[in-house]
Amino acid sequence: GESVGLHLPTLSVQEGDNSIINCAYSNSASDYFIWYKQESGKGPQFIIDIRSNMDKRQGQRVTVLLNKTVKHLSLQIAATQPGDSAVYFCAEKGNAGNMLTFGGGTRLMVKP
Amino acid sequence: KAGVTQTPRYLIKTRGQQVTLSCSPISGHRSVSWYQQTPGQGLQFLFEYFSETQRNKGNFPGRFSGRQFSNSRSEMNVSTLELGDSALYLCASSLVFGEETQYFGPGTRLLVL
Repeated sequence: GESVGLHLPTLSVQEGDNSIINCAYSNSASDYFIWYKQESGKGPQFIIDIRSNMDKRQGQRVTVLLNKTVKHLSLQIAATQPGDSAVYFCAEKGNAGNMLTFGGGTRLMVKP
Repeated sequence: KAGVTQTPRYLIKTRGQQVTLSCSPISGHRSVSWYQQTPGQGLQFLFEYFSETQRNKGNFPGRFSGRQFSNSRSEMNVSTLELGDSALYLCASSLVFGEETQYFGPGTRLLVL
């Protein structure tokens, strides 16, 4: 995952617009990727996952895209709502048990 | 089905003390992982337990330890607390070892003074 700083990158979108959150992962051997949403005062909440043998997976209002060539992951949120405001983390898992390596996170702010 | 529960939710300790945090996984889940979350370092893997055995350990000093009980509940312990141990400690559970989908609890917020 990316190095982490005190200041998270922030994406500000208008309610109803689509959001795209990007993540660069570090280990080309990682075979499973997850997006988590973390609201203030709460633990990370599972959103969607994708295995390395896929390049796209869709959920309810969310789509994850995986580009293994450039080690890039993205999360697309359709029709973004105020309740989507949170910090979003990508995580990668290799073959060492359940250990997840997290990216630094992106703060999504939805303007009403 | 109840989610992952962690106790206590908040804790204040002083340097040099030790602390024990508790995690109860989702019913039926047998694998528990612990993570530390700080503003500076983000989310970092501490260790992982399955069938009462530590399966993986992250890059943390020996002051950080854990265990898992036969009912899959887990505890982590931090001895000789340092100011830098102030963090949100998160527990995640999954069905079995190697099961990718992990579900997180709300965390324990530890403040070391």
